[in-house]
Amino acid sequence: DAGITQSPRHKVTETGTPVTLRCHQTENHRYMYWYRQDPGHGLRLIHYSYGVKDTDKGEVSDGYSVSRSKTEDFLLTLESATSSQTSVYFCAISESTGGGQPQHFGDGTRLSIL
Amino acid sequence: AQSVTQPDIHITVSEGASLELRCNYSYGATPYLFWYVQSPGQGLQLLLKYFSGDTLVQGIKGFEAEFKRSQSSFNLRKPSVHWSDAAEYFCAVGAAGTALIFGKGTTLSVSS
Repeated sequence: DAGITQSPRHKVTETGTPVTLRCHQTENHRYMYWYRQDPGHGLRLIHYSYGVKDTDKGEVSDGYSVSRSKTEDFLLTLESATSSQTSVYFCAISESTGGGQPQHFGDGTRLSIL
Repeated sequence: AQSVTQPDIHITVSEGASLELRCNYSYGATPYLFWYVQSPGQGLQLLLKYFSGDTLVQGIKGFEAEFKRSQSSFNLRKPSVHWSDAAEYFCAVGAAGTALIFGKGTTLSVSS
């Protein structure tokens, strides 16, 4: 299994508070992704990174920001959490984007915003 | 734009019966196609992938998938389902320079 660690695995917080989720990889892959998974919507891309300090928006980026200061770490921040951001968040990594390279996933973070 | 459709939200099959999960994609060129499986509380695990060449690809856990360009399909099959195959299955399409696009998933239940 790919070495991907997401932390925390579970979090409950209140509306309006900042939240940061961390994804750590040991594979030295260039590309990292953040998805959210919601019933009936499958996985939707929030942001992705194609290198240190290089990031881009995905399909559902509003209300989220990301940072990547080291190859191994990709942080997802909710500046002011809202109830609509209650979801399961997955980090993924790949050697390249799309193409023939599959993405490998972490075990997810379950975030509840009350 | 790329897109993936999994027409079946939920499928129930009997243990030992055959399985086929449908996936249709939209993409202008030859796509890269993937099937993932997700057990409850877990991340997604890659089952198999298609890049080019032989249109029938073999994956892990006894799964296979067939790429049919004329039908824009990449259906997942298994000859005999086991209770442990109950999970959610996702089809995904990729292209150079973009992240994977996922279908909304099909939940498989296995009855005894």
